[in-house]
Amino acid sequence: ETGVTQSPTHLIKTRGQQVTLRCSSQSGHNTVSWYQQALGQGPQFIFQYYREEENGRGNFPPRFSGLQFPNYSSELNVNALELDDSALYLCASSRQGAPDTQYFGPGTRLTVL
Amino acid sequence: KQEVTQIPAALSVPEGENLVLNCSFTDSAIYNLQWFRQDPGKGLTSLLLIQSSQREQTSGRLNASLDKSSGRSTLYIAASQPGDSATYLCAVIRFLPGNQFYFGTGTSLTVIP
Repeated sequence: ETGVTQSPTHLIKTRGQQVTLRCSSQSGHNTVSWYQQALGQGPQFIFQYYREEENGRGNFPPRFSGLQFPNYSSELNVNALELDDSALYLCASSRQGAPDTQYFGPGTRLTVL
Repeated sequence: KQEVTQIPAALSVPEGENLVLNCSFTDSAIYNLQWFRQDPGKGLTSLLLIQSSQREQTSGRLNASLDKSSGRSTLYIAASQPGDSATYLCAVIRFLPGNQFYFGTGTSLTVIP
């Protein structure tokens, strides 16, 4: 059973740019959630995708968007980057009906200069 | 809005001590509660999951309790070891919409050899 993988590991962008982060879900998982973790804080829920549709969203502006593909891999897109977007971005996969069994990836560290 | 607080923010203990980490939440309408461990710069590892109908869960040297009515959970670590040094996060889980996880800010634990 493969784990959750994320790419890239680290990324540096400048303010105003756009970024795409990628996540490959654990085998057999059809639900993916994305979280933002600022330094010294707990992860904040961004949104969740199930069967390629958004299935819940946290308090994040529309410039945070996502996609889920038929193979259950996922992307997080952030437009018009701001300095405060600098954080560790985590994705977690699970099976619908087993919401507690979320497996987290290692994260992508995004730095916005 | 669900607020999750963890006390203390940081804790340093000598090896072999027993210790308790605290988690409190404001909305008792939770589905489940989960404790995670996070090593520096890494993703999250699930430690214990307590379903809303349960009072406690045990795994090895770890014991977690849940009191929904008072909005509190504790994580008890027995006979602490240097390898236990990490940040411990609690998360309360709301089933709808989208199985949202609400995380606390974490307790940074250092076990001194």
